[in-house]
Amino acid sequence: KAGVTQTPRYLIKTRGQQVTLSCSPISGHRSVSWYQQTPGQGLQFLFEYFSETQRNKGNFPGRFSGRQFSNSRSEMNVSTLELGDSALYLCASSLEGVWGVGELFFGEGSRLTVL
Amino acid sequence: KNEVEQSPQNLTAQEGEFITINCSYSVGISALHWLQQHPGGGIVSLFMLSSGKKKHGRLIATINIQEKHSSLHITASHPRDSAVYICAVSLMDSNYQLIWGAGTKLIIKP
Repeated sequence: KAGVTQTPRYLIKTRGQQVTLSCSPISGHRSVSWYQQTPGQGLQFLFEYFSETQRNKGNFPGRFSGRQFSNSRSEMNVSTLELGDSALYLCASSLEGVWGVGELFFGEGSRLTVL
Repeated sequence: KNEVEQSPQNLTAQEGEFITINCSYSVGISALHWLQQHPGGGIVSLFMLSSGKKKHGRLIATINIQEKHSSLHITASHPRDSAVYICAVSLMDSNYQLIWGAGTKLIIKP
């Protein structure tokens, strides 16, 4: 069974540009969540999608957006990049169990550097 | 005060030692997760708990809902256990969002 796939793994952008990251969940998983990890802030929740609907959103500016397609693949977009957006962006997929968020399966992450 | 607190922040031990990492939380939760992150970024889910105790190999996780506390134990620690261990909780009123602890960096020396 293939794991969670994130692309690209590494990318370098300059301030003001925009970036799109992709996440393909484990087959059958309908929940995809996104996280930003920086050395200073640790892991922070960005948003979570289930069946193409955003169910929850963390405390990030509107420059951060996402979407989910009918095949459960998800993309996140960051517009007007700032230096502080340099981070590891992780996505995780899960089945929706009794408790809502089931066991999480993470991708390897996309490491974004903004120059 | 953070809603999820982990201790210690850093832990260095010798191979073979028994390791305990603690997680305390201040919010109502529906579940607690323990995850492991190796250098390079990959995160692996170790346990998801809502009560009691779970064991997988040399790893044991316990949770006390009344005390709002969980522990992760590693028996017979090995250098390959060196990683960052992260505790995260699913909020009771928002099952779709996780609140993360800052992580515990564990180094096991041979």
